[in-house]
Amino acid sequence: AQSVAQPEDQVNVAEGNPLTVKCTYSVSGNPYLFWYVQYPNRGLQFLLKYITGDNLVKGSYGFEAEFNKSQTSFHLKKPSALVSDSALYFCAVRDGQRRNTGFQKLVFGTGTRLLVSP
Amino acid sequence: EAEVAQSPRYKITEKSQAVAFWCDPISGHATLYWYRQILGQGPELLVQFQDESVVDDSQLPKDRFSAERLKGVDSTLKIQPAELGDSAMYLCASSPARAVAYNEQFFGPGTRLTVL
Repeated sequence: AQSVAQPEDQVNVAEGNPLTVKCTYSVSGNPYLFWYVQYPNRGLQFLLKYITGDNLVKGSYGFEAEFNKSQTSFHLKKPSALVSDSALYFCAVRDGQRRNTGFQKLVFGTGTRLLVSP
Repeated sequence: EAEVAQSPRYKITEKSQAVAFWCDPISGHATLYWYRQILGQGPELLVQFQDESVVDDSQLPKDRFSAERLKGVDSTLKIQPAELGDSAMYLCASSPARAVAYNEQFFGPGTRLTVL
């Protein structure tokens, strides 16, 4: 079964500095990888995804993520953090290997809280 | 911009009572998901619909939870009776294509349930 690990409960960064939020995954087949952001008392908002092709994926609000197959990682990055980026970030993976009943479900990590200080 | 609608946004109930949540996905989205998010954790899938059919309900506690999507559009999730451990955020999501693994899901604002 697929799984996702987000090793950091919280990441602190000063505004203007680069940020990285880490994610590693485990799947049997090819991974479909996603990053979502959640603001307080709100649903999740899609940021970006990796399906195939270029290992560097660009998404919303200046975020990007790098797929590394050998390290089974999909870290979220941004060159210059903003205070408004402070939120809860979730990495998610779907195993591309189909079951008899269809595609496998999306599995989320436990989330990483990003705190950007002014 | 089209959004997934959910109601109510907040629900407080006493244990052993029945509760129901409603979700209206983005128009034209064939796939609908219900997730439960316990505080401090990521969302966990409860049930997935493809049009009006259940595709995956393996994690749905069927002794007390039920879900339906009768006309393949909006959906209702019910808990009866509610237990203290059901306190969580219940999220609805939809996606535009039929069971395609790499489509992103669009989430509603969620219903926060508190069971006293």
